[in-house]
Amino acid sequence: NAGVTQTPKFQVLKTGQSMTLQCAQDMNHNSMYWYRQDPGMGLRLIYYSASEGTTDKGEVPNGYNVSRLNKREFSLRLESAAPSQTSVYFCATTFLADAYEQYFGPGTRLTVT
Amino acid sequence: EDKVVQSPLSLVVHEGDTVTLNCSYEVTNFRSLLWYKQEKKAPTFLFMLTSSGIEKKSGRLSSILDKKELFSILNITATQTGDSAVYLCAVVRGGSEKLVFGKGTKLTVNP
Repeated sequence: NAGVTQTPKFQVLKTGQSMTLQCAQDMNHNSMYWYRQDPGMGLRLIYYSASEGTTDKGEVPNGYNVSRLNKREFSLRLESAAPSQTSVYFCATTFLADAYEQYFGPGTRLTVT
Repeated sequence: EDKVVQSPLSLVVHEGDTVTLNCSYEVTNFRSLLWYKQEKKAPTFLFMLTSSGIEKKSGRLSSILDKKELFSILNITATQTGDSAVYLCAVVRGGSEKLVFGKGTKLTVNP
């Protein structure tokens, strides 16, 4: 079992470019999440998907879009990257958020110049 | 608005010391509180607490929740350099799919 995987591990973008971060899980979990982590800010929720076919905004959704492609995959898209989106992005999954822990992927370090 | 406050924000100790990390919260319809350890990579799960006064223990780490006073503590005894990390606290509302994280406590254990 791979658990939670994320691609790419590192990415450098120029302002205005677009890209998609991919997350996949083989844990048969229902819920999937995208967080960003900035120094001194903890983990902030961008978007989440409670189940296949549903997505909801988190704390900091502006500038991002998501797709829950199927139960296994949840992607995060930056349509027009900005330097303020320089961050480390983590995908996480859980079977049921209020009863089970979240498992995190290894993260994607994104730099926007 | 749900809020999680961790203290201290950073802490430097020597190997062998005992440390206590604090997490206070304000959340509607509290369901559970979680502790994670984050080294230079993804957070890894330590404990989930749902009941007040029941200590969860794993080796030198232990945690307890006080639902009346709305806080939790994470204790680490006989610290080792491998305990150096950021410790994150998060809370979940009942029926919610979202975790709210604190900013974390950065623990440095010096030899």
